[in-house]
Amino acid sequence: EVQLVESGGGLVQPGGSLRLSCAASGFTFSSYEMNWVRQAPGKGLEWVSYISSSGSTIYYADSVKGRFTISRDNAKNSLYLQMNSLRAEDTAVYYCARDDIVVVPAAQDYYYYYMDVWGKGTTVTVSS
Amino acid sequence: DIQMTQSPSSLSASVGDRVTITCRASQSISSYLNWYQQKPGKAPKLLIYAASSLQSGVPSRFSGSGSGTDFTLTISSLQPEDFATYYCQQSYSTPRITFGPGTKVDIK
Repeated sequence: EVQLVESGGGLVQPGGSLRLSCAASGFTFSSYEMNWVRQAPGKGLEWVSYISSSGSTIYYADSVKGRFTISRDNAKNSLYLQMNSLRAEDTAVYYCARDDIVVVPAAQDYYYYYMDVWGKGTTVTVSS
Repeated sequence: DIQMTQSPSSLSASVGDRVTITCRASQSISSYLNWYQQKPGKAPKLLIYAASSLQSGVPSRFSGSGSGTDFTLTISSLQPEDFATYYCQQSYSTPRITFGPGTKVDIK
């Protein structure tokens, strides 16, 4: 069964740090690009960060740039999110999500991306 | 950044109703548009990708259409398990994707 399982969430004080993990199983993890997406209480979905299959290409949302670091260990089938200098507004459920692609018809070098597998999420609460 | 809007923000419908949700992008995104369903306390679930392609395992009562800036998600006959929040998401600017604010579908 294709599965993503997040862990590492919890209660942390403002300015603190936390490291989230996402364990992948049931598919060839090293072949897929991955994302972190978060959802604040009662709010919508917000993309946080992306990492390529090799780990060589990384992007962050402006809201977390300079504070969060995404990484992966393909040998361990695991994705990580190191979160530093946490703020109250970082309080959210954090999901890891797998990117899949299909080729755009008649446009060989273009791809449609979509997040087809999601974990159940891990809750991060930043509060004093 | 590409901004996504959805309308309505919420709707009430009955089982068997045809439901249509609209998503609009702030610039043309061709067909780089996905739809997700989220139930309370659960992770989002992919329904439609590339504007109109049905994800494997998703019931055929769900369909998507549109291109450019305007898109729709249609549920042809609402079922009890379809009461949820629906999000559109643009992948034109991948990996810097953005989601719409969501449309909550509840029971009339």
